[in-house]
Amino acid sequence: ETGVTQTPRHLVMGMTNKKSLKCEQHLGHNAMYWYKQSAKKPLELMFVYNFKEQTENNSVPSRFSPECPNSSHLFLHLHTLQPEDSALYLCASSQDRGIGGYTFGSGTRLTVV
Amino acid sequence: AQSVTQLGSHVSVSEGALVLLRCNYSSSVPPYLFWYVQYPNQGLQLLLKYTTGATLVKGINGFEAEFKKSETSFHLTKPSAHMSDAAEYFCAVILSGNTGKLIFGQGTTLQVKP
Repeated sequence: ETGVTQTPRHLVMGMTNKKSLKCEQHLGHNAMYWYKQSAKKPLELMFVYNFKEQTENNSVPSRFSPECPNSSHLFLHLHTLQPEDSALYLCASSQDRGIGGYTFGSGTRLTVV
Repeated sequence: AQSVTQLGSHVSVSEGALVLLRCNYSSSVPPYLFWYVQYPNQGLQLLLKYTTGATLVKGINGFEAEFKKSETSFHLTKPSAHMSDAAEYFCAVILSGNTGKLIFGQGTTLQVKP
């Protein structure tokens, strides 16, 4: 257990479903991140939140909607996804600019059918 | 523009042999540098990092990396590979002056043969 908990670990959803991924950290960090990890592609930064405020949206399609109600919780709401959205979604947290390193969760393996 | 490049998507070594995973970055100002490891079906774990100070950095599990500004490199080494080292390794950077975005290389899969 790293201190960053992601649920669920696995998710299968149809293209018309709506689901949410949850991330929780109890490390006292003030920044949280969503990354997408697809096969044979580098890790892609999706969103960055600092003190609950979104500071980065890396041209992510609107079918992905993040929510950060407080510095300890981060959600990724999913709707009308495509099969190519199937991937491992990783949440991470850090203190300030992350110079000390990010702490990652174990990820949610998403399959869109 | 690619900020970090890992040479070799797959590296295979024998157990007990030297491990060398290569990483180069592209930045006119030295960035903050990291190596992460990912075991199957898990998230990423920090192996080591370079921020300032000594250029030879020691990490967990016997790994170390050396920051070489003249070569814009941050290669990861381990003197003697163990079977448990088989995993995917990622080099990553935070560019100076950046808002803290951690940018990853493509990853290198390390295979350890008995």
